[in-house]
Amino acid sequence: QQQVKQSPQSLIVQKGGISIINCAYENTAFDYFPWYQQFPGKGPALLIAIRPDVSEKKEGRFTISFNKSAKQFSLHIMDSQPGDSATYFCAASLPTGGGNKLTFGTGTQLKVEL
Amino acid sequence: DAGITQSPRYKITETGRQVTLMCHQTWSHSYMFWYRQDLGHGLRLIYYSAAADITDKGEVPDGYVVSRSKTENFPLTLESATRSQTSVYFCASSEIRAGGNTIYFGEGSWLTVV
Repeated sequence: QQQVKQSPQSLIVQKGGISIINCAYENTAFDYFPWYQQFPGKGPALLIAIRPDVSEKKEGRFTISFNKSAKQFSLHIMDSQPGDSATYFCAASLPTGGGNKLTFGTGTQLKVEL
Repeated sequence: DAGITQSPRYKITETGRQVTLMCHQTWSHSYMFWYRQDLGHGLRLIYYSAAADITDKGEVPDGYVVSRSKTENFPLTLESATRSQTSVYFCASSEIRAGGNTIYFGEGSWLTVV
């Protein structure tokens, strides 16, 4: 049972464009939703995260939009750059008592072209 | 600041052999995790540990064994390797903090079972 569904699987965006990656979750007990960025040959690294009490969080060119009623959240990368080319994973975790574990989406390979 | 160190980084082994992947963290984080990454599946949790001598199964534990005698080490053993265990393995660690639990990943161990 996949609790976090991510789309699209791959995405090609022109430099300066907006990259949008979407995720949907099933477990309403999830209370923390991070996005991880992974470059080839490296481990994933935390990019930005949100809790369900806010609808949007922005850090530089990266924004998370959160829709609690629809059980969806998305990552927007504004002014996409070639250096943003990477694999992006959304994730979700239960409250602390749930073991501090992350459930990941299947990942989106982003390529930003010149 | 070494963070999380995984070894070996690359390993080729034969079906039926026992393989141990090592993981060492320098942050004294309470939680440690083993994930495997496969195309189309994203990152799936194999085992995790909340503290020394406390381990628990994740989503895909079959065929794997873990131990955690010291806070800083969390080795993963494949008792009898199978081709389906060919994957990239990521060790990770985290500490519980208010506002969300950031999980820090190592750089991965590429395992090929032939």
